[in-house]
Amino acid sequence: GENVEQHPSTLSVQEGDSAVIKCTYSDSASNYFPWYKQELGKGPQLIIDIRSNVGEKKDQRIAVTLNKTAKHFSLHITETQPEDSAVYFCAASIGAGTALIFGKGTTLSVSS
Amino acid sequence: DGGITQSPKYLFRKEGQNVTLSCEQNLNHDAMYWYRQDPGQGLRLIYYSQIVNDFQKGDIAEGYSVSREKKESFPLTVTSAQKNPTAFYLCASRPIAGGQETQYFGPGTRLLVL
Repeated sequence: GENVEQHPSTLSVQEGDSAVIKCTYSDSASNYFPWYKQELGKGPQLIIDIRSNVGEKKDQRIAVTLNKTAKHFSLHITETQPEDSAVYFCAASIGAGTALIFGKGTTLSVSS
Repeated sequence: DGGITQSPKYLFRKEGQNVTLSCEQNLNHDAMYWYRQDPGQGLRLIYYSQIVNDFQKGDIAEGYSVSREKKESFPLTVTSAQKNPTAFYLCASRPIAGGQETQYFGPGTRLLVL
C-alpha cells in the first residue's frame, strides 16, 4: 500500500525566513496531495492541495510543488510569521474516494 | 472546523468500558472518516463510510466499531478490546459529487484512560 514519508520532523525558522517541508510517496498511482495545518488541540485544516496533472500551485505565501517522476512533493512557506507555527501534515491518495495516507507531521516553530 | 462537530471534547474511559465518540456533520457530505492521532505518528485511519449503512475498515480497526445509520452521523465506539485507547480522535467528511477529494476535519476528541 501507499506510504508517505515526511521530513523534517521539526523545523525552526526566524520570522521572515522561508520554510520548506518535503514528502515522498511510494505509490505511483497517487494523484491527490493535500497539506494540512494543525494547531494545538484542534483538528487539521486544509491549507493547499495539488493534483498530479499540475506541477506547482501557489496561494499567497504558500506554494506546493510536485515531482511525479521522483514521487515527492514539497510545501513552501515564504515570509514566515509567528502564527505559521503549527504542525503540518502532508498526505496522498490514489483518488476515487480512497482514504488519505498521512505523513507523520512537521512541527514548525517561527520565532520573532 | 466547518460544519463538523465532535463530542465530547474530552472523554475518560475506565478499564473494560466501551465508550462512544460522536461525529455529526451538516455539510451534506457523503463520506465520513475516523482517524486516530498519536504523538509523532501522524493520522491513522480507523474506519470510513462512503454511504449510509455501509462502512469499511481502515488500517487500525481492531478494537473499534462504527455505524452509519444517518448521512450526517458517524459514531465511533472504542471497545474494551482496544488495549491502548489513549489518543486524539479525529472525524472527517468529504463530498463525493464532482470527484472532490478534500477532507474536512472536526475539532477532535481526546480520550484518556483512568
